[in-house]
Amino acid sequence: GDSVTQMEGPVTLSEEAFLTINCTYTATGYPSLFWYVQYPGEGLQLLLKATKADDKGSNKGFEATYRKETTSFHLEKGSVQVSDSAVYFCALTGTSGSRLTFGEGTQLTVNP
Amino acid sequence: GAVVSQHPSWVICKSGTSVKIECRSLDFQATTMFWYRQFPKQSLMLMATSNEGSKATYEQGVEKDKFLINHASLTLSTLTVTSAHPEDSSFYICSALGTGSVNSGNTIYFGEGSWLTVV
Repeated sequence: GDSVTQMEGPVTLSEEAFLTINCTYTATGYPSLFWYVQYPGEGLQLLLKATKADDKGSNKGFEATYRKETTSFHLEKGSVQVSDSAVYFCALTGTSGSRLTFGEGTQLTVNP
Repeated sequence: GAVVSQHPSWVICKSGTSVKIECRSLDFQATTMFWYRQFPKQSLMLMATSNEGSKATYEQGVEKDKFLINHASLTLSTLTVTSAHPEDSSFYICSALGTGSVNSGNTIYFGEGSWLTVV
């Protein structure tokens, strides 16, 4: 079945540091890929998405490129802020087109 | 602003009672809604998928008589935790999808989540 694997957390960075959170997936066909962010005590918000190979999703300074050859969708940001502290989830929808499969989540803490 | 709203955000109930959580899509008609459960510092566990006007499809291991899901309209789904026990205490999150699939360009939107504490 479909699966998503994220780098283990937690990740702690200083403000303005470069962020990478790795995400790899296993799926049949051509899944759509997503990054969701969850702030403390809240639900999930869609951060960015990519629906086909080589697409780059971007939002709020975050980027991720759909790499089919490496089955990856790594999240990057060039300069993190304290307000980026949250849990980040990588996810995919497979052939069903609607059911999301989530990774384990990565806790990011950015210190001033 | 939020396009999917959950209510209540927080609820405390006594053991043995039932509690209902509502999930509403505000700006679109949600043909499919999903209910998740999240334990502290863990990922989301899909409990069930509901399509408007039909019975929900429950994931393996989720008790359908324990977690009653109703999707009576295109903008409202409810999750009722029946005969709640302390081990049901958790963060419950719904999500909603409009007509069509994600692969055709639709987005799944999540509610803000509901904290349930059973005492």
